[in-house]
Amino acid sequence: EVQLVQSGGDLVQPGGSLRLSCSASGFTFSDYALHWLRLAPGRGLQFVSSISANGVNTYYGDSVKGRFTISRDNSKNTLSLQMNSLRTEDTAVYYCVRRQNVAGVGQFFDSWGLGVTVTVSS
Amino acid sequence: EIVLTQSPGTQSLSPGERATLSCRASQNVNSGYLAWYQHRPGQAPRLLIYGASSRATGIPDRFSGSGSGTDFTLTISRLEPEDFAVFYCQQYGSAPYTFGQGTKLEIK
Repeated sequence: EVQLVQSGGDLVQPGGSLRLSCSASGFTFSDYALHWLRLAPGRGLQFVSSISANGVNTYYGDSVKGRFTISRDNSKNTLSLQMNSLRTEDTAVYYCVRRQNVAGVGQFFDSWGLGVTVTVSS
Repeated sequence: EIVLTQSPGTQSLSPGERATLSCRASQNVNSGYLAWYQHRPGQAPRLLIYGASSRATGIPDRFSGSGSGTDFTLTISRLEPEDFAVFYCQQYGSAPYTFGQGTKLEIK
């Protein structure tokens, strides 16, 4: 069974930093690209960042570019998101998500973590 | 960026009834690359449908997806109590991948 166990959510002040982690099991971790998505009240689901299976290629949403850093350790089956210079608008539930790639039907999100809450407030 | 608009925002139905959820895209969704997800409170979102009409592993056949181009539909033929949740559509045919704002399906 695919499991994505997340940790690291917290209350942090604006300008602060936080590191989210996602520990995976039940599949060959190094075969899959992974994403961080977030869900904020009134703003729906939003792409935050993604990383290729081998960790070479990373992508960021415009709103987090230059502040967040995604990384992975394929030897430990873990995904991380380092969040710096946090803003109130970063307040959301953050999800660790596995991206599946099926020939002919493209790439979609087939497994999600439970999510962790990040609250940025003074 | 493709904008997905879901309707209705909230739908109130009773168990046993049929639910029809709509997702309309601002541009053509390449190759029908559209997915549907179910999100129950306190749980991880769950993939229901990919490729507009293919059911994900373990999804009951009362869930079905249809559509192409800019108009897509998720149908739940006979609602079970556990089906009441928020549903999101997502297009993955063009970067950036985008989500609809969600339809809340609530018990009447």
